[in-house]
Amino acid sequence: QKEVEQDPGPLSVPEGAIVSLNCTYSNSAFQYFMWYRQYSRKGPELLMYTYSSGNKEDGRFTAQVDKSSKYISLFIRDSQPSDSATYLCAMTGTASKLTFGTGTRLQVTL
Amino acid sequence: DGGITQSPKYLFRKEGQNVTLSCEQNLNHDAMYWYRQDPGQGLRLIYYSQIVNDFQKGDIAEGYSVSREKKESFPLTVTSAQKNPTAFYLCASSIGRWGYNEQFFGPGTRLTVL
Repeated sequence: QKEVEQDPGPLSVPEGAIVSLNCTYSNSAFQYFMWYRQYSRKGPELLMYTYSSGNKEDGRFTAQVDKSSKYISLFIRDSQPSDSATYLCAMTGTASKLTFGTGTRLQVTL
Repeated sequence: DGGITQSPKYLFRKEGQNVTLSCEQNLNHDAMYWYRQDPGQGLRLIYYSQIVNDFQKGDIAEGYSVSREKKESFPLTVTSAQKNPTAFYLCASSIGRWGYNEQFFGPGTRLTVL
């Protein structure tokens, strides 16, 4: 079993829809949770960063962490075609390397 | 502009050849990383370096080698011992040594073995 599980998709939604992307994990030592966005044939870029449990909002993006369920989510409101990309979750403990999910490919259609 | 550059963007290798992928950063970051990305497998850590003249193996180091002679440079050599080297290679850097520091990624090098 992988430490981090993420549905690879693809996930196709119409423009304006609310998108929900999720990851589950098994390592209870993880405390730092990130979402990276990767456009095709490009390097990933950090989108959201959350420490421990709770919610964090930035514009149209909301990250949620539920440590009791070992479950994290990224919500995208009013999705745009420019949001079409692969979204990677990543997480780590205090003094260890970053562990990535496999990524979910999102397509927002007009 | 500050950032990470990788070269070349595309690289073709014949079987049995060693090739070196370049990674340079001007962010003054201490830590640098090399990842490999394959379809359906996410990013897997090959090597990382937390300081000049020091580096550690990641999860899939076999068949790869690195050096860190300068703070801004972290080249990766894919040797002939790497059995399946065709992949997308990403270099990253972070200001601090541990994973909770934001990692900044380069644009990647796509390596194809002919």
